[in-house]
Amino acid sequence: NAGVTQTPKFRILKIGQSMTLQCTQDMNHNYMYWYRQDPGMGLKLIYYSVGAGITDKGEVPNGYNVSRSTTEDFPLRLELAAPSQTSVYFCASIAGGGGSTGELFFGEGSRLTVL
Amino acid sequence: EDKVVQSPLSLVVHEGDTVTLNCSYEVTNFRSLLWYKQEKKAPTFLFMLTSSGIEKKSGRLSSILDKKELSSILNITATQTGDSAIYLCAVRTQGGSEKLVFGKGTKLTVNP
Repeated sequence: NAGVTQTPKFRILKIGQSMTLQCTQDMNHNYMYWYRQDPGMGLKLIYYSVGAGITDKGEVPNGYNVSRSTTEDFPLRLELAAPSQTSVYFCASIAGGGGSTGELFFGEGSRLTVL
Repeated sequence: EDKVVQSPLSLVVHEGDTVTLNCSYEVTNFRSLLWYKQEKKAPTFLFMLTSSGIEKKSGRLSSILDKKELSSILNITATQTGDSAIYLCAVRTQGGSEKLVFGKGTKLTVNP
């Protein structure tokens, strides 16, 4: 019962490098989200998707891109990494529809450091 | 712009105390409010509340939503050191834009 799986768990990047954080869920959830959490802070929404082929910006989308080609996968791409993107990133998903329990399921998080 | 505000931002209590954490929101097309507990890693789910106003309980934790005041409280009675964590409130919207917006969290420290 995998749930939401994120990779990698840790990564160090140099300024200007690019990388992709992978996220996949096996619960057939329509809605998927990417958040970042800075030390001592709450979660800020980067991008979200309500289904395959549909994505939308959250509160802090600058410097990131996403795609949703399948229901299962929602990768987050960082272009031209900057120190301000040093953070812990969480991918999450939630079922849609009236039968949903409303619980948002999280991946374990990816700690990214940009030096 | 959708907004979720939690208070206080931090709280230090002694074991056995009762605490009340607050969450207020201003969002377009409210669907539900979620409470999470976060220790070292990813947040773990506590409650989901809707405009029905039904109180949710789980052991020493309880929560209710006031749809008139656009707010929710999370109560923890007889606190224990294991309750030390960040408590996060999130609001889910509906109507095509299914955003889930979090507040900054309340850091609760329970001292023995």
